[in-house]
Amino acid sequence: SYVLTQPPSVSVAPGQTARITCGGNNIGSKSVHWYQQKPGQAPVLVVYDDSDRPSGIPERFSGSNSGNTATLTISRVEAGDEADYYCQVWDSSSFWVFGGGTKLTVL
Amino acid sequence: QVQLVESGGGLVKPGGSLRLSCAASGFTFSDYYMSWIRQAPGKGLEWVSYISSSGSTIYYADSVKGRFTISRDNAKNSLYLQMNSLRAEDTAVYYCARLSGQQLGYWYFDLWGRGTLVTVSS
Repeated sequence: SYVLTQPPSVSVAPGQTARITCGGNNIGSKSVHWYQQKPGQAPVLVVYDDSDRPSGIPERFSGSNSGNTATLTISRVEAGDEADYYCQVWDSSSFWVFGGGTKLTVL
Repeated sequence: QVQLVESGGGLVKPGGSLRLSCAASGFTFSDYYMSWIRQAPGKGLEWVSYISSSGSTIYYADSVKGRFTISRDNAKNSLYLQMNSLRAEDTAVYYCARLSGQQLGYWYFDLWGRGTLVTVSS
């Protein structure tokens, strides 16, 4: 089965840049999607197809994917960005696979 | 507005059954592939099951195969998950989610419901 590895936590000061990684075997050959989940709420799609943003998602959210690592970058971090973030890919044997999630803390 | 609303969760004993429903509104339900995704308390997201727009293609995670059955009624704009032989490890919030994307391999979940809690306990 395909495994996605995320750091459990990332901390960043307001106004700085947060980078959340998602590791997987040759993940650069797959399309990576990212979800934001705030406490008690359903996940929300923030980046799809590695680097595209759904309408309504701020330009501060961006993504990249190469080699064995995909990255979600949040620029000019705000207190409201504090949440859990999950990466997701599709794999022919495991179907839809999620990373374990990363808790973003805004200091 | 565009939304998904789950229902049917609750407390059930191990070995018991439960049927979840998901009501879709604000979009053409029959045009979309759908899935169920769950999240155990304090844990991450786990994909559970998928159904194509017509219902002709269905996939399950290994953890639920043979116990859960996904179905849909496009006339009623509804998605279902029949859960049998429930175990303690099935305790989770169950979300229904809409799939979008150019082609298989690129699909992502672009709309989620608020979820319904299933608790399996004696």
